[in-house]
Amino acid sequence: SAVISQKPSRDICQRGTSLTIQCQVDSQVTMMFWYRQQPGQSLTLIATANQGSEATYESGFVIDKFPISRPNLTFSTLTVSNMSPEDSSIYLCSVEGGRGGMNTEAFFGQGTRLTVV
Amino acid sequence: GEDVEQSLFLSVREGDSSVINCTYTDSSSTYLYWYKQEPGAGLQLLTYIFSNMDMKQDQRLTVLLNKKDKHLSLRIADTQTGDSAIYFCASFPRGYNKLIFGAGTRLAVHP
Repeated sequence: SAVISQKPSRDICQRGTSLTIQCQVDSQVTMMFWYRQQPGQSLTLIATANQGSEATYESGFVIDKFPISRPNLTFSTLTVSNMSPEDSSIYLCSVEGGRGGMNTEAFFGQGTRLTVV
Repeated sequence: GEDVEQSLFLSVREGDSSVINCTYTDSSSTYLYWYKQEPGAGLQLLTYIFSNMDMKQDQRLTVLLNKKDKHLSLRIADTQTGDSAIYFCASFPRGYNKLIFGAGTRLAVHP
């Protein structure tokens, strides 16, 4: 299994500002995933980040709002830009760790609980 | 697209068995997963089952898969207070290259 560390674990931010969330993995992984969990909701995939290429965003998410960096095989950042209260959520980083690739087993960080006021 | 549904809440007495149910729509799902989320924490992979299996048992956990009805269940034997959490069912449909999560079932264990 992979050990994933996310920072910060929580933050309270003013609307209009931006927050960058860091995700560090203890092993090299090809694909890293960023999810959003809105209050009382399930997880929604924001984007998939592969090292050395642009992130692939899911429908409803755009790079200008959620820019992602993936500088190496153990690290990624997600920025939530120009925040509004609707961005208040838990943001989770995930990596694949299964046999045969293709994210057959997904491991998650502890999440970043963001509150926008 | 794929849709994964779960009941939202389950309450059980300590020591009883818990059964959490999940249905999915895409029959091409190759893997089906159960994740546990404790308060303030990320998701912990509990177990998963490959689509060619009917049942998988791991200590107190039993996963049953009915492919015909596209129904997945998680049984927790001898439920303890430490099992109180939100349990997410997830599928991995072929061609999607991503996990599709249900809304989560909140399990409350009372004495």
